[in-house]
Amino acid sequence: QKEVEQDPGPLSVPEGAIVSLNCTYSNSAFQYFMWYRQYSRKGPELLMYTYSSGNKEDGRFTAQVDKSSKYISLFIRDSQPSDSATYLCAMSAYDNAGNMLTFGGGTRLMVKP
Amino acid sequence: EAGVAQSPRYKIIEKRQSVAFWCNPISGHATLYWYQQILGQGPKLLIQFQNNGVVDDSQLPKDRFSAERLKGVDSTLKIQPAKLEDSAVYLCASSLLTGNYGYTFGSGTRLTVV
Repeated sequence: QKEVEQDPGPLSVPEGAIVSLNCTYSNSAFQYFMWYRQYSRKGPELLMYTYSSGNKEDGRFTAQVDKSSKYISLFIRDSQPSDSATYLCAMSAYDNAGNMLTFGGGTRLMVKP
Repeated sequence: EAGVAQSPRYKIIEKRQSVAFWCNPISGHATLYWYQQILGQGPKLLIQFQNNGVVDDSQLPKDRFSAERLKGVDSTLKIQPAKLEDSAVYLCASSLLTGNYGYTFGSGTRLTVV
């Protein structure tokens, strides 16, 4: 079993839809949770960063962490074609800076105009 | 702020040949990482440097892969000899030593071994 599981998709939605992306994990030591967006032939870029359980909102993006269920989610409201990319969840047991991240396999999202 | 620079962008080699990748991190970032991303998978850490010292290389196949970070700035990753299964994107990332700012990744080097 992988430490971090993520449905590979592809997930295809119409423009304006609410998108829900999810990851499950097995290592209870993970405390720092991140979502990265990766466009084709580009490196991942950090979207959201959360610590422990709870919600965090940034514009159209909301990250949720449920440590009791070992489950994290990223919601995208009013999805746009420019949101079409692969979304990677990543986790760390310690303060992110200077510590390795464990990534999920990524979910490919396609938003159709 | 300039991003993480990597070169070359693409490389095609035959199996058993050698190849080297170069990374220049963001100025002031003490920590540098090399990740391997196989098509359809998430990045997997190969090696982590803090300044010019190795912090974690437990997942680096040391019989064929080597990496160095001279003077704590630029880094090179080498594969010798390459195998077909080494075909992947090699991502370099850097981060500050402290603070929750996340990594900054370069665009990667796409390696194809034929």
